[in-house]
Amino acid sequence: DTGVSQDPRHKITKRGQNVTFRCDPISEHNRLYWYRQTLGQGPEFLTYFQNEAQLEKSRLLSDRFSAERPKGSFSTLEIQRTEQGDSAMYLCASSFISGAGASDEQFFGPGTRLTVL
Amino acid sequence: AQSVTQLGSHVSVSEGALVLLRCNYSSSVPPYLFWYVQYPNQGLQLLLKYTSAATLVKGINGFEAEFKKSETSFHLTKPSAHMSDAAEYFCAVSRPSGNTPLVFGKGTRLSVIA
Repeated sequence: DTGVSQDPRHKITKRGQNVTFRCDPISEHNRLYWYRQTLGQGPEFLTYFQNEAQLEKSRLLSDRFSAERPKGSFSTLEIQRTEQGDSAMYLCASSFISGAGASDEQFFGPGTRLTVL
Repeated sequence: AQSVTQLGSHVSVSEGALVLLRCNYSSSVPPYLFWYVQYPNQGLQLLLKYTSAATLVKGINGFEAEFKKSETSFHLTKPSAHMSDAAEYFCAVSRPSGNTPLVFGKGTRLSVIA
């Protein structure tokens, strides 16, 4: 396995358009996280899944944002009616948590850089 | 709410000099703590993590960090900087219960001068 992959790596769109990003986690990982990183800042948590269940959403995740993980494998993050303030790097991370104890290492993908014109 | 403060947005050292990147966290309960490194146009790579097993944590590429509960600090050090260490470094804290969303600091950009 080559790690977490994200597609596309770059996306340029016009304000008001919808965009969708995809994340493929490490195959045996059951948790998947989305973060957003703006210039000069650390990543900020958006939402995360365990298998197909969305367990938590940040207040940063406005109603224009939606995320899914339909089969507990890959995940998509959609932004509707994009705004210039949505311009950022969107990072996906995955990890494995077992019943016997939690593995606390999140593996990050390379990110999708969104530019909204 | 938990928070992480990284002192110094930019640190510059000479090649071969000591690297010290500072991180302080706010939490009433000792959390899990992490240092990640990010190279340009790449995702984050874990350098090391503290999970209460030992206060001095050794990571990859010669980095280590010491957890000091009394100072709520988790500073990252490396005895001798290499040019390849130039990157952005992020300190992060998790809730003690396991895999949960990380709270990151704003990052420190490390420059290494030949």
